[in-house]
Amino acid sequence: AQSVTQLDSQVPVFEEAPVELRCNYSSSVSVYLFWYVQYPNQGLQLLLKYLSGSTLVKGINGFEAEFNKSQTSFHLRKPSVHISDTAEYFCAVSEGYSTLTFGKGTMLLVSP
Amino acid sequence: GAVVSQHPSWVICKSGTSVKIECRSLDFQATTMFWYRQFPKQSLMLMATSNEGSKATYEQGVEKDKFLINHASLTLSTLTVTSAHPEDSSFYICSARDGGQEIYEQYFGPGTRLTVT
Repeated sequence: AQSVTQLDSQVPVFEEAPVELRCNYSSSVSVYLFWYVQYPNQGLQLLLKYLSGSTLVKGINGFEAEFNKSQTSFHLRKPSVHISDTAEYFCAVSEGYSTLTFGKGTMLLVSP
Repeated sequence: GAVVSQHPSWVICKSGTSVKIECRSLDFQATTMFWYRQFPKQSLMLMATSNEGSKATYEQGVEKDKFLINHASLTLSTLTVTSAHPEDSSFYICSARDGGQEIYEQYFGPGTRLTVT
């Protein structure tokens, strides 16, 4: 069975600083990996996804993530955050055509 | 493209009544739709998966007689919470897979906030 661990429930950071949100997964087969962002009282918006190919994936809003198979990780990074990046971020994994399994989420708090 | 809408965005109902939530794919045909439940400051928990024209598959622990799911067309799925109780208050989110595109991706609706008084 697949599972996702987001190691940090909350990450405070100052505006214009870099940030990394950590995500580790476990699965017995090849997986597809996703990062979603959720603003208060809204649904989920896809930031980026890894299906195959290059392990460095670039997404929207300046975010990127790197798939590391040996470490079973898919950490999300942004070199310089904005106040508007304050939101909940969810890492998710899917084994082929199966359903998505979400991590518990990481709240990114950007302060001026 | 790939827009999913939900209606209503929020609803307040009295205990014992039923409430229906609609999920629509606006610009694609959704062969599969998913219903999630999210409690405050928690992750999304999958409730059920529905395929157009067939019965929904419910996750363990989800009462199928309480949470009725109908996926009658390729663009519409409905979730009906029957005999609602305060503990059913939650944020309900649907998602959909585009039958003609990458089937690994789900497109999410904006969610429906249900409050049962």
